[in-house]
Amino acid sequence: GAGVSQSPSNKVTEKGKDVELRCDPISGHTALYWYRQSLGQGLEFLIYFQGNSAPDKSGLPSDRFSAERTGGSVSTLTIQRTQQEDSAVYLCASSLDFGGRAPGYEQYFGPGTRLTVT
Amino acid sequence: QKEVEQNSGPLSVPEGAIASLNCTYSDRGSQSFFWYRQYSGKSPELIMSIYSNGDKEDGRFTAQLNKASQYVSLLIRDSQPSDSATYLCAVPYAGGFKTIFGAGTRLFVKA
Repeated sequence: GAGVSQSPSNKVTEKGKDVELRCDPISGHTALYWYRQSLGQGLEFLIYFQGNSAPDKSGLPSDRFSAERTGGSVSTLTIQRTQQEDSAVYLCASSLDFGGRAPGYEQYFGPGTRLTVT
Repeated sequence: QKEVEQNSGPLSVPEGAIASLNCTYSDRGSQSFFWYRQYSGKSPELIMSIYSNGDKEDGRFTAQLNKASQYVSLLIRDSQPSDSATYLCAVPYAGGFKTIFGAGTRLFVKA
């Protein structure tokens, strides 16, 4: 079946502009995650959505970052007033929800959006 | 602060050898453990999950878990040049979906 899709694949923007990144999870996956990966670095957790529960926003680095998930499916990550340090690959992943039991939490990643802020 | 620690490497092994990758974690309540492979310029790909103490084998891959020591490892038997990648250890916080990834170990398999 179809995997996680993300758009755009690449985005170049000027400092100070707002950007929106989109993620379409695997059909039937109720959990959706956003991560950031800077060049040569590990994955930095940003936010996750799980079912109808309030999202865990504890990883968002500043109030310029926000995310929403409409209808329990597609998610949009918005970065306002972009800064050069926001340049990174933004990865989205989705997983099934087994209420914490195995095999829950197995995350499947999309191809990522490479954001470059000039 | 929840942590997942891995040796950054690079780990270099000859083709056909066993590659051993290690990971320690700080959250004693964690119940699920994952290994992802990430090729340069690509997104992470799930290769192994383990939930119980002991070994779990899948083809050339074996995951080993020791919850008492808070240690999880990945063995790759008969290593191939195509196994050259960064291997990420991932541990969800106990009771939740928030997942902490280790910084990854770079593996080079020399032909």
